[in-house]
Amino acid sequence: RKEVEQDPGPFNVPEGATVAFNCTYSNSASQSFFWYRQDCRKEPKLLMSVYSSGNEDGRFTAQLNRASQYISLLIRDSKLSDSATYLCVVNTNAGKSTFGDGTTLTVKP
Amino acid sequence: GAVVSQHPSRVICKSGTSVKIECRSLDFQATTMFWYRQFPKKSLMLMATSNEGSKATYEQGVEKDKFLINHASLTLSTLTVTSAHPEDSSFYICSAPPLGGGQPQHFGDGTRLSIL
Repeated sequence: RKEVEQDPGPFNVPEGATVAFNCTYSNSASQSFFWYRQDCRKEPKLLMSVYSSGNEDGRFTAQLNRASQYISLLIRDSKLSDSATYLCVVNTNAGKSTFGDGTTLTVKP
Repeated sequence: GAVVSQHPSRVICKSGTSVKIECRSLDFQATTMFWYRQFPKKSLMLMATSNEGSKATYEQGVEKDKFLINHASLTLSTLTVTSAHPEDSSFYICSAPPLGGGQPQHFGDGTRLSIL
């Protein structure tokens, strides 16, 4: 079993749709959690951190359930520019990151 | 914020060439750097952790003699792909660990290596 598992995708949605990505992690000692966005042939860029209380940044909402070891990302009112691969990332307290395989999102006109 | 600079961004060279990739922390000191490799449509896989002034720690299955890592100073880590072959073609990316608890890593821009 992978340490970090994500929805296999791909997700193909129309503009304006709401889409949700799920992620589970196996290391109960994981300390911090993030969603990254990666465009084709580019480095990953931090989208948002994920907190147990849930956090929102514009159209993006992230949730963390430590008991279930589950992380989610919700994107509302999808834009064409949201098309990318979304990576779930889990850090240990040593700062080492484990990445999910990513979920590809394509938003179509 | 913290910035990590990686160079070069793109390398195309012949089989048998050794290629050096540099990763610099521009406005902070990093005693540790991480080196990742990414295959197409796959996620980043940690190759090794470089440690300033000591040997790198390699992940299982990564050839130490193929991927030489040096962390000579608090702001520079290098990855050398020795005698590169087409199967070494990949996207390589370095990162510096978080500056504090709960903080994300800081990634370089990545190096796309193509071996002909």
